[in-house]
Amino acid sequence: GENVGLHLPTLSVQEGDNSIINCAYSNSASDYFIWYKQESGKGPQFIIDIRSNMDKRQGQRVTVLLNKTVKHLSLQIAATQPGDSAVYFCAVNTGNQFYFGTGTSLTVIP
Amino acid sequence: ETGVTQSPTHLIKTRGQQVTLRCSSQSGHNTVSWYQQALGQGPQFIFQYYREEENGRGNFPPRFSGLQFPNYSSELNVNALELDDSALYLCASGTTGNYGYTFGSGTRLTVV
Repeated sequence: GENVGLHLPTLSVQEGDNSIINCAYSNSASDYFIWYKQESGKGPQFIIDIRSNMDKRQGQRVTVLLNKTVKHLSLQIAATQPGDSAVYFCAVNTGNQFYFGTGTSLTVIP
Repeated sequence: ETGVTQSPTHLIKTRGQQVTLRCSSQSGHNTVSWYQQALGQGPQFIFQYYREEENGRGNFPPRFSGLQFPNYSSELNVNALELDDSALYLCASGTTGNYGYTFGSGTRLTVV
């Protein structure tokens, strides 16, 4: 199995600042990781993914860092905007099954 | 527009009843997964279908069952509903070898 946890259930940041959301997992066999964004009333939306043979991947305004040694990954959002307000989940693939954390609710203060 | 559509969007059922939820996968996708998301929690994997066969299952009892059809639409069936089955049920479709699943907006099931 897999235990996935996010370090903070809530996070508030000022508009324009950078946001960092952290996630820990337990199974060293986990080989694929995805960050999802979920807005109220909607399903999770894919943000960025990373495979276990990488330690960093960048997208538009987002960066995912993976530290397999301590089984930790993070999502960095640059220049956070009000539209980034949502719940963020990390999903960890272990044995062809995805395990989700409980989510971090990000609030962007204008 | 996610490309994955679920119906109905909301549903109220009585304890002990049976329910069928439906999902239409995104064009070109050949796998479908179902998740249960309780309020304030992350989605929990129920099962996955590929080529109309179940090829992965989470920690859910047999009263949760599913079907995938040749046109890649699918159903989630839940028998003998319990109050704790109240949740948002999410369908996600994808392509084998590519884990970037696309989620639908879900069906909100309330069991009373």
